[in-house]
Formats: sequence, structure tokens, C-alpha cells
Amino acid sequence: EPEVTQTPSHQVTQMGQEVILRCVPISNHLYFYWYRQILGQKVEFLVSFYNNEISEKSEIFDDQFSVERPDGSNFTLKIRSTKLEDSAMYFCASRDRDRTYGYTFGSGTRLTVV
Amino acid sequence: GQQLNQSPQSMFIQEGEDVSMNCTSSSIFNTWLWYKQDPGEGPVLLIALYKAGELTSNGRLTAQFGITRKDSFLNISASIPSDVGIYFCAGRVSPTSNSGYALNFGKGTSLLVTP
Repeated sequence: EPEVTQTPSHQVTQMGQEVILRCVPISNHLYFYWYRQILGQKVEFLVSFYNNEISEKSEIFDDQFSVERPDGSNFTLKIRSTKLEDSAMYFCASRDRDRTYGYTFGSGTRLTVV
Repeated sequence: GQQLNQSPQSMFIQEGEDVSMNCTSSSIFNTWLWYKQDPGEGPVLLIALYKAGELTSNGRLTAQFGITRKDSFLNISASIPSDVGIYFCAGRVSPTSNSGYALNFGKGTSLLVTP
């Protein structure tokens, strides 16, 4: 079964530092997403990406966040200056054209900001 | 985004029992989905519902899209220990043409099953 791969699985960073979370979506998928889940809380939408541009973003996705698809396989989330409240699980997801809500989620990156 | 109220927050049941959980919203949704999340993993889609009144099964799981389009329930019959996890409802109002088809998630129902 094809998988969405996320690295690293756990990252610890100091407040104010920049972090890049990496994802390799399923190869024939066209739509890419980042969601986050603060410990013990619900999964929250951050951003969707299609055709090399952001198609939708939430209020959480402010100027400190950015996404990029630097090559044909990777999809990254950058947090420019991390804050304590950015500590969360970050999930990447992808889907193909024919399954509107048939996301496949990765296993997540646990980001801890200290 | 639209708030989804999911209940119960947690359930502790014995193996073999049936389970029911539900999700309500003050807004009308045109899609309801149910996901399961195991510890340390991402959510996995269980059932997707696209029409009001739709009743869909996936093995021992059954979910329904409420006719008011403001609620959905998930039933698990004859629970087994591997049903343990957190179950999330998720929904979406009608997307615009530029929409990324983002989902709103409920807060989850934590299910524990004892042998």
C-alpha cells in the first residue's frame, strides 16, 4: 500500500529557530496538505497545495509558515521562527484527483519547541 | 471554521460490545467522514459519506449521514481489542471552486476495549 512518508519523526528545536518538516507524498497524488494536532486536541487544517501554489489556508497558517514543493517528490513545511505554542504533531497528507476527500495521512512529525 | 461537537469524549467497553458515537454541527455539511487514529500514527479514513441519509458500512463499522446534514453517527459492532484508538469525525461544507477541500475535525472519541 502506498504511503505518505514524513521526516523526521520527532524534532526538538529552540524557540526562535527555523524548522523544516519534510514529506514525500504518494507519487501519483496531486493535492497536498499540512495539518497539525496539539497534544490531546483535534486535528487542525493548516494549508492545501495544488499545481505549485497554495489553494487554501487557515488562520493558523500565518506569515511564519510557508510551504514548498522543491522537486517532484518532496513537500515541505517551514516554520520561520518557532514559538512554544507551535509544539504539536504535524501531519502531511495527499490525495489524487479522483478521491475528493480520500486523503492519505503520513505518520506525522512531533515538533517540540523548548 | 465550523465547529464539530463529537461525543462521547471517551468510552471504556468490554470486547464484544457494540459502540456508538456521534458528531453534530451547527452548520450544514455536504460531506462527513470518520477517521481512526492509532497512537503515534496519522488518521486513517474509515468511512466517507456524501449524501444526506446515506448509510454506509465497512465491515463491522456503520456510519450514517443525518438527514438534516448537521450530524453523523458511527457504530462499531462486536468490538475487538484492536478497535482501540481515537475516532474522529470530519466534515466539509460546500467547497468553492478554488477550495483545497480542507477538512474540519471533531475533538475525537477515545475508545478503550478490554478483552
